Amino acid sequence: EDQVTQSPEALRLQEGESSSLNCSYTVSGLRGLFWYRQDPGKGPEFLFTLYSAGEEKEKERLKATLTKKESFLHITAPKPEDSATYLCAVRYGGSQGNLIFGKGTKLSVKP
Amino acid sequence: ETGVTQSPTHLIKTRGQQVTLRCSSQSGHNTVSWYQQALGQGPQFIFQYYREEENGRGNFPPRFSGLQFPNYSSELNVNALELDDSALYLCASSLGGGISTDTQYFGPGTRLTVL
Repeated sequence: EDQVTQSPEALRLQEGESSSLNCSYTVSGLRGLFWYRQDPGKGPEFLFTLYSAGEEKEKERLKATLTKKESFLHITAPKPEDSATYLCAVRYGGSQGNLIFGKGTKLSVKP
Repeated sequence: ETGVTQSPTHLIKTRGQQVTLRCSSQSGHNTVSWYQQALGQGPQFIFQYYREEENGRGNFPPRFSGLQFPNYSSELNVNALELDDSALYLCASSLGGGISTDTQYFGPGTRLTVL
């Protein structure tokens, strides 16, 4: 059973069409939920860390939120340069401090 | 502030060979973690080094080994390469020994192809 599940696997948006990506997790003792952006063939780029339910963080057109079972990455009025794979990862009590990743959501934004 | 760097960028090896990948951590960071990312998958944790000691290991066989040096740079060694070892290998650095809540910052990766 996957501990971190991201949906949808792929998302196509028109420029300016807002949407949300989902990350659900089944681990207990969460010590942080992390969002990364990854461009093809590159390393993940850090976006946000969330630690407790109810927490929200924003950066430009992106906003991340956290509940007890899932996180959402909201993208407002996306631009083509937002096209990338968005990865969610969790750190919890049993992960020895390391990150357990989902498979990612591949976002394409068309002009 | 210098970010995480990795070398080489790309590497092609044949089955059965050995490979060494290198990583320089971000300035001020004392912890390095290595991940393997197969195409279309999320990164999978290989192992972590904190102050030159292995500080945790994922579900990878012993032919995956590593080192961390006094300047906190690190190496990943893979012996007896198999076709399934073809992947993007990512190094991430952080501050705090892994048990903290510190963020991991990733390098650009090394693309390994095993023929």
